[in-house]
Amino acid sequence: ETGVTQSPTHLIKTRGQQVTLRCSSQSGHNTVSWYQQALGQGPQFIFQYYREEENGRGNFPPRFSGLQFPNYSSELNVNALELDDSALYLCASRQGQVRNYGYTFGSGTRLTVV
Amino acid sequence: GQQVMQIPQYQHVQEGEDFTTYCNSSTTLSNIQWYKQRPGGHPVFLIQLVKSGEVKKQKRLTFQFGEAKKNSSLHITATQTTDVGTYFCAALGGGAQKLVFGQGTRLTINP
Repeated sequence: ETGVTQSPTHLIKTRGQQVTLRCSSQSGHNTVSWYQQALGQGPQFIFQYYREEENGRGNFPPRFSGLQFPNYSSELNVNALELDDSALYLCASRQGQVRNYGYTFGSGTRLTVV
Repeated sequence: GQQVMQIPQYQHVQEGEDFTTYCNSSTTLSNIQWYKQRPGGHPVFLIQLVKSGEVKKQKRLTFQFGEAKKNSSLHITATQTTDVGTYFCAALGGGAQKLVFGQGTRLTINP
């Protein structure tokens, strides 16, 4: 079975621009979460999608938005990029809402805002 | 909101020494998960603990969940260079079942 794949792996954007990051969840997984990980820190929850509906959001401004598609792949969009948005963005998936399974993380997208 | 505090932030050991990282919460946790992130890598799920006082072992790794379900620990016996990385505890919080991560303990090993 394939794992979680994210694209692109690295990205450099200018302050004020917009960016879209993509994630294909592991086969059979219908729950996708996005996390932001700054250097030397633990991942911070951005939001989660379950069957195409957002069912949870962390402390991130509205310029962070997302989508989940019928095939359970997902996008993270960030508008009006700021320098502090530079981080590793991680996508994680798991099977449904069951509490018995850990998340499978993708390798992440390293975003640099200059 | 729910927070999990993890200590120590860094730990450097000689190969063969033991290593322990601790995770604490001010509130009762429904469960706790542990992840390992290698340098330059992404978090990889190790285990989930659910029951009060639960102890689970994976080869040289021993995971414990406190009786009050407010703390947890990960102990590695006789570390090897392959154990290098950052170990995170994470608790499921909120109705969305989001993962709240600790700050992580970065383990480095002198061969």
